[in-house]
Amino acid sequence: GIQVEQSPPDLILQEGANSTLRCNFSDSVNNLQWFHQNPWGQLINLFYIPSGTKQNGRLSATTVATERYSLLYISSSQTTDSGVYFCAVGTQGGSEKLVFGKGTKLTVNP
Amino acid sequence: DTAVSQTPKYLVTQMGNDKSIKCEQNLGHDTMYWYKQDSKKFLKIMFSYNNKELIINETVPNRFSPKSPDKAHLNLHINSLELGDSAVYFCASSQVRDRVPLHFGNGTRLTVT
Repeated sequence: GIQVEQSPPDLILQEGANSTLRCNFSDSVNNLQWFHQNPWGQLINLFYIPSGTKQNGRLSATTVATERYSLLYISSSQTTDSGVYFCAVGTQGGSEKLVFGKGTKLTVNP
Repeated sequence: DTAVSQTPKYLVTQMGNDKSIKCEQNLGHDTMYWYKQDSKKFLKIMFSYNNKELIINETVPNRFSPKSPDKAHLNLHINSLELGDSAVYFCASSQVRDRVPLHFGNGTRLTVT
């Protein structure tokens, strides 16, 4: 099955810093989503981005499907950005069977 | 106005017991899922139902039985609970044909003692 690798596994930042999280996948995908799991365990969908670039406030994401990777950018990080960021991919356009990466744990210190 | 709600939030029980987790979504989505998150935070799909029909059944012990009475509800029943079943179970929903992203419930932390 498809493999998903996220890097780095852990990231510690000072408030205000920028960061880039990476997601590599082993096969062609028609579905790629980024999620944030906050310290209380809630999983929030950030982006549905099988290709191209999207922006939402301080967050943006780019997926280069032909090269099998996606990047999540966080600018001017805040303590509320702390948590685990997951990339999930699927070979169908819908969310029928997403395979999740192991996540990047982000800690933003004040 | 919670979109995907699951109950209970916490469940502590002894080995050998049977328990159920309930999930409801009010988003009008056609597909619902159960995911399991283990102690290392790894998320893996267990089941998926589309309009009450089982479409994904991953390699899960048959002690786990999902039931979907209608497309807005998906419950998970677990028989003869084992220590290894301890995890956080997430319900989720999406509208597959419209490529709507996955929406998760807040999770149920199951602890088997």
